[in-house]
Amino acid sequence: EAQVTQNPRYLITVTGKKLTVTCSQNMNHEYMSWYRQDPGLGLRQIYYSMNVEVTDKGDVPEGYKVSRKEKRNFPLILESPSPNQTSLYFCASSAGTGYYGYTFGSGTRLTVV
Amino acid sequence: GQNIDQPTEMTATEGAIVQINCTYQTSGFNGLFWYQQHAGEAPTFLSYNVLDGLEEKGRFSSFLSRSKGYSYLLLKELQMKDSASYLCAVRDGSYQKVTFGTGTKLQVIP
Repeated sequence: EAQVTQNPRYLITVTGKKLTVTCSQNMNHEYMSWYRQDPGLGLRQIYYSMNVEVTDKGDVPEGYKVSRKEKRNFPLILESPSPNQTSLYFCASSAGTGYYGYTFGSGTRLTVV
Repeated sequence: GQNIDQPTEMTATEGAIVQINCTYQTSGFNGLFWYQQHAGEAPTFLSYNVLDGLEEKGRFSSFLSRSKGYSYLLLKELQMKDSASYLCAVRDGSYQKVTFGTGTKLQVIP
């Protein structure tokens, strides 16, 4: 089944403790992206990647890092999480720049206390 | 940058037709998407428009006017399961960034 897999689904952590949210897709998609979703603010893009080793900042990159060492994986790293990073995170991938919508992962609900 | 506006909430009756509008102002444009998101779930892709006009897909249609920076999603023969948020998203001129509106929460009532 074609899918984007995110882990974990739920995570509660403490301020300052580094964490990684994994994202993997099995569709050989070139384009991958991370979004956070907050009430009243909608989905906001954190980082995106056009291909292996090619990443760039979205609209809200502060406090996050990403890497794209393999085509299928695009982990999101929070080096020192803070409470304002409490949010619902989605990873998404797409085949390219044409008539291709995103396929989203199931989401990761992160709480930083 | 991108600025995308959608109504926050709408209510419609089962079996009826509803139109959800989206206006946008962008520094470049390479396509507009509509997604459906049920509460607690991930968004799912509904439609894509890059040229002016209407794209029809079963009960759902999407319209685009690039000169007016305007799109709408038309849902016909509404069903209770159509109760969800509908997200408008615009891809910028570089083909790299996709910006979402805050979504329109649609409630379908009997």
